[in-house]
Amino acid sequence: GQNIDQPTEMTATEGAIVQINCTYQTSGFNGLFWYQQHAGEAPTFLSYNVLDGLEEKGRFSSFLSRSKGYSYLLLKELQMKDSASYLCAVVDSNYQLIWGAGTKLIIKP
Amino acid sequence: DGGITQSPKYLFRKEGQNVTLSCEQNLNHDAMYWYRQDPGQGLRLIYYSQIVNDFQKGDIAEGYSVSREKKESFPLTVTSAQKNPTAFYLCASSKGGASDEQFFGPGTRLTVL
Repeated sequence: GQNIDQPTEMTATEGAIVQINCTYQTSGFNGLFWYQQHAGEAPTFLSYNVLDGLEEKGRFSSFLSRSKGYSYLLLKELQMKDSASYLCAVVDSNYQLIWGAGTKLIIKP
Repeated sequence: DGGITQSPKYLFRKEGQNVTLSCEQNLNHDAMYWYRQDPGQGLRLIYYSQIVNDFQKGDIAEGYSVSREKKESFPLTVTSAQKNPTAFYLCASSKGGASDEQFFGPGTRLTVL
């Protein structure tokens, strides 16, 4: 079967750095997305990785290792507004999007 | 302003009644999707459409129906056959297929009493 694993919940301190991991076992791979979702709201796009390596976009960076079936989202200089769920999603060989359950990130002052 | 809209934000229905959730986009996107999200869970795909007058079942299509008569619109009907319809419903669109970024509407929270 297809599976995406993310930690259910993480806690971090305002101003710090946090890394949210995502491991996947899917039938093929055609890209990996990260979305942010605030409680009760719609997900919004953060990043898309299809090649190995690190993609940096402001305070957020996303890393991919296809050989390890692994990605992480790195958030720097955490702000209270970063409290949200972070969803990892993988495009499989049939070009279907497989979603993880999401990681709820709690930021403490 | 381009975007994707869903209405209403909150919807209450009695058990046994069908209900239709609206989804409209003016992004000129070909693909549209319906997801269901339950507390503490990820998104589960109900139906998707890559082109007008064509749509495919997702992972949890039972008890739901859709239509795609216009490029801009992809309404979802939750029928009385859906055993546990209370959930948060999200509509999304993308320019092409699964490798394209999806843009989401604000969601409809359906409560069946």
